[in-house]
Amino acid sequence: DAGVTQSPTHLIKTRGQQVTLRCSPKSGHDTVSWYQQALGQGPQFIFQYYEEEERQRGNFPDRFSGHQFPNYSSELNVNALLLGDSALYLCASSYPEFGRSPLHFGNGTRLTVT
Amino acid sequence: TQLLEQSPQFLSIQEGENLTVYCNSSSVFSSLQWYRQEPGEGPVLLVTVVTGGEVKKLKRLTFQFGDARKDSSLHITAAQPGDTGLYLCAGASPKLIFGQGTELSVKP
Repeated sequence: DAGVTQSPTHLIKTRGQQVTLRCSPKSGHDTVSWYQQALGQGPQFIFQYYEEEERQRGNFPDRFSGHQFPNYSSELNVNALLLGDSALYLCASSYPEFGRSPLHFGNGTRLTVT
Repeated sequence: TQLLEQSPQFLSIQEGENLTVYCNSSSVFSSLQWYRQEPGEGPVLLVTVVTGGEVKKLKRLTFQFGDARKDSSLHITAAQPGDTGLYLCAGASPKLIFGQGTELSVKP
C-alpha cells in the first residue's frame, strides 16, 4: 500500500519563476493538505483540498494556489517566487474530518529559490 | 490567531535520561496530535489525544492532554539514540496547526 508520494524531491528555481509541486495521497484518502516547513520550524498550513475544492486556507498570499484532481491527487503552484519561499513543502493526506483525522505526510519537496 | 508554543526548542541528553516536552496554547483544541519527524522525511503520527485529562502510553512515551484541552506534554523514559528527532504537537482548530517543534538529540 503506497503512502503519500511527492514529486520532485528537490527543486532549484530563480526568483520570479513559477513552480508546480505534485502529490499523490495515500490509498483510500480523499483530502490533501499542503504545508510549508522552514528549516528548524514546524509546518505552516497553506491550504486543504477536498472534493476538488479549497476547503481551508492558512495565512499565505494568493501567489500560492492549488488544485485537486478527480483521482484525489493534488498540485501546489507558487508564482513569482521569492527567496523566502525556500522551504520544505509537505503534502499530507487524510480522511475529511476537520482537523481530527491523522495526517499521513509525504517526504516533501525541498525548494530552493536563488 | 491560534498558536502552539513548544518548550524546550532544543534538548540534548544522554542515553538513559528522562525528559518532558511541553506544548501550550491559550486556545482550546478539540484534539491534539503528536508527530515525530526525522531528517529528510515527513512527520509521522505518534498519538492523538481527544479528552481533557487523557493519558496515553506508547512504550516508553507517555502523552497527556490537559484538563482544559489547551496544553499537552510528552514524557520519554530512558531515552535512546533512536528517539532522536523533531517532536511536533499539532492542534485541531479545525484545521491542524503545528507548534514550532522540539529538536531532541539523544547521545549514546
